[in-house]
Amino acid sequence: QQQVKQSPQSLIVQKGGISIINCAYENTAFDYFPWYQQFPGKGPALLIAIRPDVSEKKEGRFTISFNKSAKQFSLHIMDSQPGDSATYFCAPQTSGSRLTFGEGTQLTVNP
Amino acid sequence: DAGITQSPRHKVTETGTPVTLRCHQTENHRYMYWYRQDPGHGLRLIHYSYGVKDTDKGEVSDGYSVSRSKTEDFLLTLESATSSQTSVYFCAISLTGASNSPLHFGNGTRLTVT
Repeated sequence: QQQVKQSPQSLIVQKGGISIINCAYENTAFDYFPWYQQFPGKGPALLIAIRPDVSEKKEGRFTISFNKSAKQFSLHIMDSQPGDSATYFCAPQTSGSRLTFGEGTQLTVNP
Repeated sequence: DAGITQSPRHKVTETGTPVTLRCHQTENHRYMYWYRQDPGHGLRLIHYSYGVKDTDKGEVSDGYSVSRSKTEDFLLTLESATSSQTSVYFCAISLTGASNSPLHFGNGTRLTVT
């Protein structure tokens, strides 16, 4: 049973465009919803996260939208830049800081 | 990198040999984790620790054991390595262990089992 399903697997966007990555989950015990960014040869790093009592959170060019009833949340990257090229993971969390990772989305932003 | 050091960074070993990976943190946090990363699977939790001598299994713990005799060190051991354990292994720490506490990851150990 796949608890977390992320889409798309890969995404190519032109510089200045909008990148959208989606995450669907099944476990209603998840109570924190982060996105992690990973560059080659590095570990994942927290990009942005949202609590379930909020429907949207924006930090600079990055926005999370959260739909609790649909058990989905998404990452929007506005004005995408080549430096945003990386792999992105949704990783909803339960108590004990235990994360369940999606499969990842490889984002390429062309100049 | 939140003071996390993983060693070795790369290792090649033969099937059937024991292997130990080390995670060392400098910030005295209680909560530590071992994940493995494989294409198409994201990262999957192997084992985690809530403190010295306090560990528990994650979703892919078969074939792995861990030990934590000091707060700063969390060891992952493959008792008898198999080719299916070829992977990139990441150690992580949590500042508080709360559900809204993010994880900070090391830079990984790439293990190849031939």
